[in-house]
Amino acid sequence: GNSVTQMEGPVTLSEEAFLTINCTYTATGYPSLFWYVQYPGEGLQLLLKATKADDKGSNKGFEATYRKETTSFHLEKGSVQVSDSAVYFCALSDGAGNQFYFGTGTSLTVIP
Amino acid sequence: GAGVSQSPSNKVTEKGKDVELRCDPISGHTALYWYRQSLGQGLEFLIYFQGNSAPDKSGLPSDRFSAERTGGSVSTLTIQRTQQEDSAVYLCASTQKTGSYNSPLHFGNGTRLTVT
Repeated sequence: GNSVTQMEGPVTLSEEAFLTINCTYTATGYPSLFWYVQYPGEGLQLLLKATKADDKGSNKGFEATYRKETTSFHLEKGSVQVSDSAVYFCALSDGAGNQFYFGTGTSLTVIP
Repeated sequence: GAGVSQSPSNKVTEKGKDVELRCDPISGHTALYWYRQSLGQGLEFLIYFQGNSAPDKSGLPSDRFSAERTGGSVSTLTIQRTQQEDSAVYLCASTQKTGSYNSPLHFGNGTRLTVT
């Protein structure tokens, strides 16, 4: 079956620190992979996506590379800001694009 | 509209009452999903509509939950005889489905349901 596993939180970092949030997946077929971000009091927003192996998604300084060999899609940012404090969700959609599977979310707090 | 719209944004109801939650997806989006997000938990899939096909109801937790989508656009999630464990944020999302292209989900801001 399809599933997503992401690192447990919460994560607390100082401003300008390097961020990695691990995400691994199990899927049949050829899934697409996504990172969503949920700021306090808001709905989820798409942060970045990758639709095939070796694709790199990037947005707002965040990056994630679709690694088929390790079934991973780790989220990274070189220098976090206070405004990056949010909950981050890794997700995949199955090869048919009918169903989306979400990780449990990782809460990030960035302190000045 | 510009995005997915959900109403109400907050709903407080007494145990045993029925509630209706509304979702207005992005115009032209053929697929619509409902998820539930409990405090500190991930997203729990509830139901999925795609065009005129029969909905995928496999995530509905009990027969107290039902949903419909009228005219392929607006959707209503109904919870009958609410229980305290139904308290959560209910999220609606829509996406444009074109063949097998995996377009991302666009989420509304959710309805926070509190059952007292």
